[in-house]
Amino acid sequence: GNSVTQMEGPVTLSEEAFLTINCTYTATGYPSLFWYVQYPGEGLQLLLKATKADDKGSNKGFEATYRKETTSFHLEKGSVQVSDSAVYFCALSNTGNQFYFGTGTSLTVIP
Amino acid sequence: GAGVSQSPRYKVAKRGQDVALRCDPISGHVSLFWYQQALGQGPEFLTYFQNEAQLDKSGLPSDRFFAERPEGSVSTLKIQRTQQEDSAVYLCASSSRLAGGLGGGANVLTFGAGSRLTVL
Repeated sequence: GNSVTQMEGPVTLSEEAFLTINCTYTATGYPSLFWYVQYPGEGLQLLLKATKADDKGSNKGFEATYRKETTSFHLEKGSVQVSDSAVYFCALSNTGNQFYFGTGTSLTVIP
Repeated sequence: GAGVSQSPRYKVAKRGQDVALRCDPISGHVSLFWYQQALGQGPEFLTYFQNEAQLDKSGLPSDRFFAERPEGSVSTLKIQRTQQEDSAVYLCASSSRLAGGLGGGANVLTFGAGSRLTVL
């Protein structure tokens, strides 16, 4: 089947710290992988995506690399800001119409 | 409109009441999805429309849940005889691509802000 497992939170970091949120997946075939971000009171927004093995998605200083050998898509940012405080969801989409989301990781960045 | 619009943003219902949640997708988007997000969880798939056709309703938790998109744009999710376990945020998402379609790339979803349902 298809599923996503992501690092449980909450995560609290100081501003300018390095961020890693782990995500691993189980899927049949060759899924596309995504990170979505949900700011307080808002809907989920696409942060970045990768559609095949070894692709690197990047946006707003965040990066994630599609690693087929380890079935992972870890999210990283070199220097977080207070404005990055949000809930981050890893997701996969396979050949079909369903997206499978992780349970979300809450990030709080303190000044 | 510029984004996916959902209404109401908040709904409180007494157990046993019927509720209707509306989704206005991005104009011209072919695909429309409904998801249920329980507190502290990720979104879970409910149903999918391609234009007006409901192609997948495998995620609807019971026959009390019903969704429609009669003209291929606005969609309504109806929950009959609400129960406390129905309390959740209901998310609508749309996409310009056909789900599972050919042509490569990823089917990117644009989400609305959600409708938070609380059943007392």
